[in-house]
Amino acid sequence: ETGVTQTPRHLVMGMTNKKSLKCEQHLGHNAMYWYKQSAKKPLELMFVYNFKEQTENNSVPSRFSPECPNSSHLFLHLHTLQPEDSALYLCASSPAGGATDTQYFGPGTRLTVL
Amino acid sequence: RKEVEQDPGPFNVPEGATVAFNCTYSNSASQSFFWYRQDCRKEPKLLMSVYSSGNEDGRFTAQLNRASQYISLLIRDSKLSDSATYLCVVNKLSNDYKLSFGAGTTVTVRA
Repeated sequence: ETGVTQTPRHLVMGMTNKKSLKCEQHLGHNAMYWYKQSAKKPLELMFVYNFKEQTENNSVPSRFSPECPNSSHLFLHLHTLQPEDSALYLCASSPAGGATDTQYFGPGTRLTVL
Repeated sequence: RKEVEQDPGPFNVPEGATVAFNCTYSNSASQSFFWYRQDCRKEPKLLMSVYSSGNEDGRFTAQLNRASQYISLLIRDSKLSDSATYLCVVNKLSNDYKLSFGAGTTVTVRA
């Protein structure tokens, strides 16, 4: 399935690096999300964009910076990360941020911070 | 208290068996409930929404108990391909699109 794509699929970075994760959805949706999934832990919602407006910043450290230039693209800019930030970062989209909307996930970026 | 709690399992069952598990949620105002499935090293995918009256999709049956604040998933006639982690998902507030995820229940179906 290619509804939601994410690049890169794997990323290894040092704590002083700057990198960006990219997400693109081809479903015509208006809401996009970033989640963090650490081993054996529930998905944690990080950011939400609804109609390109950021509507949620779930107490995420400033070393994570989202960007949503249009309703199809979402970025997560990373800088000066910590080893505990190593996780699977999942992007999702949904039609319009409704309570009953299904969220469609991308394959994720597996991030390792050395 | 966690927003969504699940028995992590694993539930190891033979092919053809029935397996069932629950999840509990803490927010009585939650209105939307889902089961997602996540295969190893893959993204979560919606398995089914859970409706107040309970609903069935093939071999999968979901139930909602608002009074006790839990939802359940039952899998009949288990297939090898049912091996996965099942995520219980609940919206945080009434009419809110923000979702709370459980850590998942792992099911392994053996031949």
